Amino acid sequence: ELKVEQNPLFLSMQEGKNYTIYCNYSTTSDRLYWYRQDPGKSLESLFVLLSNGAVKQEGRLMASLDTKARLSTLHITAAVHDLSATYFCAVDRGGTSYGKLTFGQGTILTVHP
Amino acid sequence: GAGVSQSPSNKVTEKGKDVELRCDPISGHTALYWYRQSLGQGLEFLIYFQGNSAPDKSGLPSDRFSAERTGGSVSTLTIQRTQQEDSAVYLCASSPGLRGDTQYFGPGTRLTVL
Repeated sequence: ELKVEQNPLFLSMQEGKNYTIYCNYSTTSDRLYWYRQDPGKSLESLFVLLSNGAVKQEGRLMASLDTKARLSTLHITAAVHDLSATYFCAVDRGGTSYGKLTFGQGTILTVHP
Repeated sequence: GAGVSQSPSNKVTEKGKDVELRCDPISGHTALYWYRQSLGQGLEFLIYFQGNSAPDKSGLPSDRFSAERTGGSVSTLTIQRTQQEDSAVYLCASSPGLRGDTQYFGPGTRLTVL
């Protein structure tokens, strides 16, 4: 059974600081996604990572994938209040499980002035 | 363009009643997914439709849950004889259907079973 674990689950940051959210998964995967969810809203796609060593960046967020370590990271640079949200990683195992995403627990990020 | 839409946005029902939740995927998307988000279980996959293929129902928690997709577009998730543990936000997502496509999520239906 595929397990996806994020840490930390709660993250309180000051504006301007850097931090990293970690996503570990237990079996080989086809691809990994990062999503953002604002309170009371649905999930917004941030990144899809397809292969070992993949790195993608958008604004102050950068995601990377290490398939050998079964680890993805979401790095936040110089945080701003607008980044406050819950961030989920999700793994698609592919094969017969293609399309069935397994989500991490989510990391609730709060950025303070 | 129009995203995934779901209705109703909120549904309150009494234990034992049946409910129907509707999802309109993005036009042209052949793949449609249902997930459930609850405090205790997080985000869980329920069911997946891809084109005209038989749906993957492996995530449905019990036989009280069923879903259909008519004409390859709109989908309805039905929960029979609702229980309090069915209370959750039910999210629908769609994707173009090609391997590895990003899934685009709708706003969800918040179901409360009293």
